[in-house]
Amino acid sequence: SQQGEEDPQALSIQEGENATMNCSYKTSINNLQWYRQNSGRGLVHLILIRSNEREKHSGRLRVTLDTSKKSSSLLITASRAADTASYFCATRRGGTSYGKLTFGQGTILTVHP
Amino acid sequence: GAVVSQHPSWVICKSGTSVKIECRSLDFQATTMFWYRQFPKQSLMLMATSNEGSKATYEQGVEKDKFLINHASLTLSTLTVTSAHPEDSSFYICSAPGATDTQYFGPGTRLTVL
Repeated sequence: SQQGEEDPQALSIQEGENATMNCSYKTSINNLQWYRQNSGRGLVHLILIRSNEREKHSGRLRVTLDTSKKSSSLLITASRAADTASYFCATRRGGTSYGKLTFGQGTILTVHP
Repeated sequence: GAVVSQHPSWVICKSGTSVKIECRSLDFQATTMFWYRQFPKQSLMLMATSNEGSKATYEQGVEKDKFLINHASLTLSTLTVTSAHPEDSSFYICSAPGATDTQYFGPGTRLTVL
């Protein structure tokens, strides 16, 4: 079964609003990463949070990690139409080889201008 | 940042033919590359890990004779879909790991088998 479950599956907001996406996973992890995918394109790395970290910021992105609940959230503040994309969480499970990731189902974000 | 390219970006082929997809790391060396497939509106599924100079490691359920992987150099991995059928139609994406456990992804190849 898929390691990660994300909710919501789809999110539609207005420009300027904040967008929050959640990700849950099932096994212990080394780190959790968030990626963005524009339609029909490859993925772009956004942010990585290690299992011993609880919160991380990068520009308009804020990621939290709760290892006790095996969950993470991605917050995009002051969203823009250009943020419209699919967002995936990915985990590197503890004990797996370097770089081997398991992806969640993804959240499709639509930001209306 | 590091760049990974894929070629072709899209391909249409007839059922029964073989298709080769190339994945190149343009400005860095990659001893390992990963191949994923993605169906419309779905997540990425890891197919195999490509290892330079040695055999690829396939995920459970992925037919190694169907999806041939060759990692001939530190900058090139290829995926050949042999005897392609319509159910092989998908979006194939490769990636190479960066220095900090992140992945650099190629732009993907859309395969359509008629």
